[in-house]
Amino acid sequence: SYEVTQPPSVSVSPGQTASIPCSGDKLGEKYVCWYQKKPGQSPVLVIYQDTKRPSGIPERFSGSNSGNVATLTVSGTQAMDEADYYCQAWDGSSTYVIFGGGTKLTVL
Amino acid sequence: DVQLVQSGGGLVQPGGSLRLSCVASGFTFRSYEMIWVRQAPGKGLEWISYIFTSGSTTHYADSVKGRFTISRDNAKNSLYLQMNSLRAEDTAVYYCARGLSATTWYTLGFWGQGTPVTVSS
Repeated sequence: SYEVTQPPSVSVSPGQTASIPCSGDKLGEKYVCWYQKKPGQSPVLVIYQDTKRPSGIPERFSGSNSGNVATLTVSGTQAMDEADYYCQAWDGSSTYVIFGGGTKLTVL
Repeated sequence: DVQLVQSGGGLVQPGGSLRLSCVASGFTFRSYEMIWVRQAPGKGLEWISYIFTSGSTTHYADSVKGRFTISRDNAKNSLYLQMNSLRAEDTAVYYCARGLSATTWYTLGFWGQGTPVTVSS
């Protein structure tokens, strides 16, 4: 079965850029979404279809997807961005999605 | 505004059953494919089930196949998850979710508030 892999944790200093990778076989051929998850709250979609931002999501969130790696980039990271981030892959035809294991972003 | 309001969680003994509900408002429910996602304590997000707009097509994760049943009542703007033969490993917060648009069900832009399910004796 298909899997996507994320590092358990990423740290960043306030104001700096954080990059969170998500890797999977030929992931660039799939559609990738990214979700922010804070304790006690429902997930929030921050990137969809690899690079698009939903309405209301700050411009500091961006995404890319090529080859075997998709990346969520948070520019000018703020304390409020500290959360777990999950990548999600969809192959374009299936009726299921695959979530990565999640990455805890710590803003030090 | 789009709203997904969940109910039905709680404490249940191993082998027991629960039915989760998700009532939709603010959009044409019958036009949207819907899914259920769960998060076990200390674990990541897990997709568990999908249902087509009419209910004619459903799909389940292997972890719940044969025990859980997803259904919908478009007249009542409601999504359901019937959970039978519950196990300790089914303990999680369960979320219903919808795509950003009717043609992109996988872009989960709208979520219910989550309902906790605890399976324990």
